[in-house]
Amino acid sequence: SQQGEEDPQALSIQEGENATMNCSYKTSINNLQWYRQNSGRGLVHLILIRSNEREKHSGRLRVTLDTSKKSSSLLITASRAADTASYFCATDLPPTGANSKLTFGKGITLSVRP
Amino acid sequence: ETGVTQTPRHLVMGMTNKKSLKCEQHLGHNAMYWYKQSAKKPLELMFVYNFKEQTENNSVPSRFSPECPNSSHLFLHLHTLQPEDSALYLCASGQGPEKLFFGSGTQLSVL
Repeated sequence: SQQGEEDPQALSIQEGENATMNCSYKTSINNLQWYRQNSGRGLVHLILIRSNEREKHSGRLRVTLDTSKKSSSLLITASRAADTASYFCATDLPPTGANSKLTFGKGITLSVRP
Repeated sequence: ETGVTQTPRHLVMGMTNKKSLKCEQHLGHNAMYWYKQSAKKPLELMFVYNFKEQTENNSVPSRFSPECPNSSHLFLHLHTLQPEDSALYLCASGQGPEKLFFGSGTQLSVL
């Protein structure tokens, strides 16, 4: 069964606006990660937030985590046309292992209009 | 450039063909992964290798056969595939239980 589910499925905004993407999950997690995928390419890691953290920032990215609601949000501020891509949340489930066994959602397609 | 290289980038094969996908990483990671990405579906984890040993097989059909000769190289051998196996196959590597580094993928079409 799918662990992470992103919302909305697609988002279209004007350059300069902020983009907010949400992810909900079903079971306890070690950490939650966001990845970006440009068309026809592999995924690129953006940011990781651990289960005991509530908010993290990285450049124009801000991610929040609410473990009571089992949800996370990714905010991209001052969006650019180059931010156009698909965005995925991925959850790392307990127990903590030697390696990641990430479970991904279906992704959100973000279009930033120039 | 993520440090994970996959070849070929595109592959078209018939259902009776045998082909192999290749992945290599020079990041010094101990774990390597195969994921399948189909349209409108979540990424599916197929196999995990840790220090050349397979640690995860996510109920993948036997027509997909992975091989990991060393920690830097990973192969996916394909034979008698079905049209529904057409997808983007992504290789990834990682060190520890955190972020993964992905290759650009092989877009596979099975005719």
